[in-house]
Amino acid sequence: QLQLQESGPGLVKPSETLSLACTVSGASISSQTSYWGWIRQPPGKGLEWIGTFYYTGTTNYNPSLKSRVTISADTSKNQFFLNLNSVTAADTAIYYCGRSPSTWYYTSWGQGTLVTVSS
Amino acid sequence: DIQMTQSPSSLSASVGDRVTIACRASQGISKSLAWYQQKPGKVPNLLLYAASTLQSGVPSRFSGSGSGTDFTLTISGLQPEDVATYYCQRYDSAPLTFGGGTKVEIK
Repeated sequence: QLQLQESGPGLVKPSETLSLACTVSGASISSQTSYWGWIRQPPGKGLEWIGTFYYTGTTNYNPSLKSRVTISADTSKNQFFLNLNSVTAADTAIYYCGRSPSTWYYTSWGQGTLVTVSS
Repeated sequence: DIQMTQSPSSLSASVGDRVTIACRASQGISKSLAWYQQKPGKVPNLLLYAASTLQSGVPSRFSGSGSGTDFTLTISGLQPEDVATYYCQRYDSAPLTFGGGTKVEIK
């Protein structure tokens, strides 16, 4: 059974870098039939797609975040990562990692991790 | 970017009612639309994809229709456990975008 688990600091200072990991079990992030992504949800608000990673190293990012975001992976650990730099309070959100098939809707989600940006 | 607009933003209905939620794309997206249910404090859960294909394990009272720019999610016989916020998401191309959500409550 596929499981995803986000991990990382719950508090990040303004202007610093938010770094999260998603550990995948039950499937390989090197699978040719899976795309791995990050989605976030500010408290009490809707969902925002951040970006997607494919095992070949191909990435797609939300243009509104593209200048600040990097998604990468460590296939040996079956993990993929989110780095978002120069954060502000507007980046406070629950961050989810997810898996999608070659058509990009999300069939599996992690439990989410709340990241607060505050000094 | 293609924007997704959901309506209404919230609704209240009685148990057993038929509930309809609309999602409109600012440009045509064929049938590249998914619907998610997010119960309070929980993770979003995929209900339908390809506008009308029910995800495995989802009750048959949920159905979807539409193509191009106009889509509908229908709950045929609202149940107490359907209290949630529902989101549409287009996936025809990046950047992926979600609708603003529709909060469904029991009257």
